[in-house]
Amino acid sequence: QPVLTQPPSASGTPGQRVTISCSGSISNIGSNTVDWYQQFPGTAPKLLIYTNDQRPSGVPDRFSASKSGTSASLAVSGLQSEDEATYYCSSWDDSLVLVFGGGTKLTVL
Amino acid sequence: QVQLKQSGAEVKKPGASVKVSCKVSGYFLSELPVHWVRQAPGKGLEWMGGLDPDDGEPIYAQTLKGRVTMTEDPSSDTAYMELSNLRSEDTAIYYCTTGPSISVNQGVLDFDYWGQGTLVAVSS
Repeated sequence: QPVLTQPPSASGTPGQRVTISCSGSISNIGSNTVDWYQQFPGTAPKLLIYTNDQRPSGVPDRFSASKSGTSASLAVSGLQSEDEATYYCSSWDDSLVLVFGGGTKLTVL
Repeated sequence: QVQLKQSGAEVKKPGASVKVSCKVSGYFLSELPVHWVRQAPGKGLEWMGGLDPDDGEPIYAQTLKGRVTMTEDPSSDTAYMELSNLRSEDTAIYYCTTGPSISVNQGVLDFDYWGQGTLVAVSS
């Protein structure tokens, strides 16, 4: 069972805003930063957000994220068909392990 | 640019060992710590461990301790992950990954660069 809890699926129509939640505990999200990864089928994950809300160079500003307490969320604004992918959150846990969420498959209707 | 190129797919029997390589280019292996993440078919991501840049020693996920060994050969800019006593549940795609901001001490493991993945299938 993944340590971080994400909804298994999310969906939206083109142009909509969709949010994906990631719930943890005081020992991970509550104490450390959160990253988000985007993964397309058959490819390696791609770093989408680091340090809670920072976008690496080249990531569209349609993607934003935040953290509050022991939860984090990823928002995708102006949803596009190419955003259809699986999204994972991650955070370091004080028990000395990097933990991931189970992943959320985003479908663009 | 930074690239990580992994070795090819492996098929192993239960109880055997597998060693996956990850050759880096665009930087020296000593500059960025390599970590390993695996993904079972249709499942999520699982961190296996990697180099702690603060002390130069590998840190392993507790669930794999005793079965996994991560090493590096700076002379060839290649990192290795060896997993022993393989079980069917070890069937997965294994990725090497790294980034410039990794600090285990500060709990920062941002993986900017990834290998293409290596499928390891364990079957009798």
